[in-house]
Amino acid sequence: AQSVTQLGSHVSVSEGALVLLRCNYSSSVPPYLFWYVQYPNQGLQLLLKYTSAATLVKGINGFEAEFKKSETSFHLTKPSAHMSDAAEYFCAVGSLQGAQKLVFGQGTRLTINP
Amino acid sequence: SAVISQKPSRDICQRGTSLTIQCQVDSQVTMMFWYRQQPGQSLTLIATANQGSEATYESGFVIDKFPISRPNLTFSTLTVSNMSPEDSSIYLCSVVVGRYEQYFGPGTRLTVT
Repeated sequence: AQSVTQLGSHVSVSEGALVLLRCNYSSSVPPYLFWYVQYPNQGLQLLLKYTSAATLVKGINGFEAEFKKSETSFHLTKPSAHMSDAAEYFCAVGSLQGAQKLVFGQGTRLTINP
Repeated sequence: SAVISQKPSRDICQRGTSLTIQCQVDSQVTMMFWYRQQPGQSLTLIATANQGSEATYESGFVIDKFPISRPNLTFSTLTVSNMSPEDSSIYLCSVVVGRYEQYFGPGTRLTVT
């Protein structure tokens, strides 16, 4: 069975600082991994995805994530935080069929301090 | 990509009643999914809505409680039946486009009193 663990339910950074949101996965098959963002009172928006091509994946809004098989990790980073980045972030692992039947982590709430 | 709309966006319902949530997609898709997001929690898959066949439910979810319809390739409904306060959640529908992209609707925020 697949699972995702997000370390830190709440992360707070200063505007302009590095954002690092941690995600570790467990999968019995080569994983497909995703990061989603949820702004208040909105649905989920796909930030980026790993589909076994390049291990460093670039997404929208300046975010990127690196797939590290040896560490079973897929951490999300952004070099410089912006106030508009404040949201809930979810890491998810897909099935053998790709993005179907996603299993989500518990989410990390990102707060940006001015 | 896909644009998904849901109705209603939010509702407050009394216990023991039922609410039907609609999900409309702007393109034809094979598979649609329904998720539940309980307050302060992550998303949990309820079921996969297949066009022309019965929905496939995940462990812990049953058809009597969450009947689903999928009359065509752009529309689905989820009914939350005989509601209790524990059903207070955000319900989201989603679709997969291609193989690697799942898109979500804005969600229906349900409060049961």
